[in-house]
Amino acid sequence: SAVISQKPSRDICQRGTSLTIQCQVDSQVTMMFWYRQQPGQSLTLIATANQGSEATYESGFVIDKFPISRPNLTFSTLTVSNMSPEDSSIYLCSVTRGRDEQFFGPGTRLTVL
Amino acid sequence: QKEVEQNSGPLSVPEGAIASLNCTYSDRGSQSFFWYRQYSGKSPELIMFIYSNGDKEDGRFTAQLNKASQYVSLLIRDSQPSDSATYLCAVNEGTSGGTGANSKLTFGKGITLSVRP
Repeated sequence: SAVISQKPSRDICQRGTSLTIQCQVDSQVTMMFWYRQQPGQSLTLIATANQGSEATYESGFVIDKFPISRPNLTFSTLTVSNMSPEDSSIYLCSVTRGRDEQFFGPGTRLTVL
Repeated sequence: QKEVEQNSGPLSVPEGAIASLNCTYSDRGSQSFFWYRQYSGKSPELIMFIYSNGDKEDGRFTAQLNKASQYVSLLIRDSQPSDSATYLCAVNEGTSGGTGANSKLTFGKGITLSVRP
């Protein structure tokens, strides 16, 4: 498996503000992934972050709203910009180990008022 | 649009029974298949993965894959109240060979399992 930490674990924010979520992994990984889990829903991939290149975003997600940084092989950040109540979700980062097994961090629970 | 479908729930079984969770997927080229367990308020935990047709057993858990029918299932034997959780099926259309590339998981909506003492 992998040891993944995320900060903050939860936050309550005002609409129109931005929040940056940090993800730290215990060892170097090529790719890191960011997911969103809206209340009562399953997980949806936001983007894939590869060190040294721009993140690849999934349909429905744009860089201006969810800018991602990947400064090294153990760390990534996701920013949720200009937040609205619809952004209230759990945000999770993940990494792969072994062949394709993907392991998740503990998540960041975001509430936007 | 790649889809992963799971039985609508919730599913309730008595303690000691076998819980059977099913999942179908739309992309015939999918390579890797995963079951995650998610307790309320927690992040998903990988409990089983399977890459080849057939059965794979790990303790009380058995994953079954049938690529021809595009079907993957999870059996939980001797179900315990601690197994009560939401179970998510996830499918990866490609395989990264360990690099992480092409590791794009599509998740089903999940099914909530309740094990009655």
